[in-house]
Amino acid sequence: RKEVEQDPGPFNVPEGATVAFNCTYSNSASQSFFWYRQDCRKEPKLLMSVYSSGNEDGRFTAQLNRASQYISLLIRDSKLSDSATYLCVVNPGAGANNLFFGTGTRLTVIP
Amino acid sequence: GAGVSQTPSNKVTEKGKYVELRCDPISGHTALYWYRQSLGQGPEFLIYFQGTGAADDSGLPNDRFFAVRPEGSVSTLKIQRTERGDSAVYLCASSNIAGSGYTFGSGTRLTVV
Repeated sequence: RKEVEQDPGPFNVPEGATVAFNCTYSNSASQSFFWYRQDCRKEPKLLMSVYSSGNEDGRFTAQLNRASQYISLLIRDSKLSDSATYLCVVNPGAGANNLFFGTGTRLTVIP
Repeated sequence: GAGVSQTPSNKVTEKGKYVELRCDPISGHTALYWYRQSLGQGPEFLIYFQGTGAADDSGLPNDRFFAVRPEGSVSTLKIQRTERGDSAVYLCASSNIAGSGYTFGSGTRLTVV
């Protein structure tokens, strides 16, 4: 079983729409969680960390459900510039120093 | 430097040849990571350095792959006897806290023909 699983999409949404991505992780001891954004042929860039209490950054909201072992990212009022691949990322904990990446969910925002 | 720098940005090599990929991390970052990303996949962990030592090399696919970081800054990923299956984008990342969010370089796109 993969450490991190995501629906690869693609998600095609109109401008202004609200879209949500989920991912699940396999290791219940996982400690840290992140969402990264990756544009076509570019490197991944940290979008936001995910905290147990949930956190918001402008139009982006991240939530963590430890009991169900899933993480979500909500994007409100989608912009054309939000078109990218969103990678769910987990530090599996137990002294692990590396991060595990999902395969990513591709989002296209349509005018 | 201001960001993670990787060279070359693109490398085309013939099957069986040896290649070296270079990573210059953010100044002061002690943790350095190498990942490999194939088309349509997320980055796959290869190796992690804390300072000069390889603290975790469990992601290296086989003994053709080797990486060094002799002075605790610049790192080189070395691939011997390249195979077509090695074709991918090789990403380097650094962090000032192991296991926290990384900053990636722009990657080296390796194509083995």
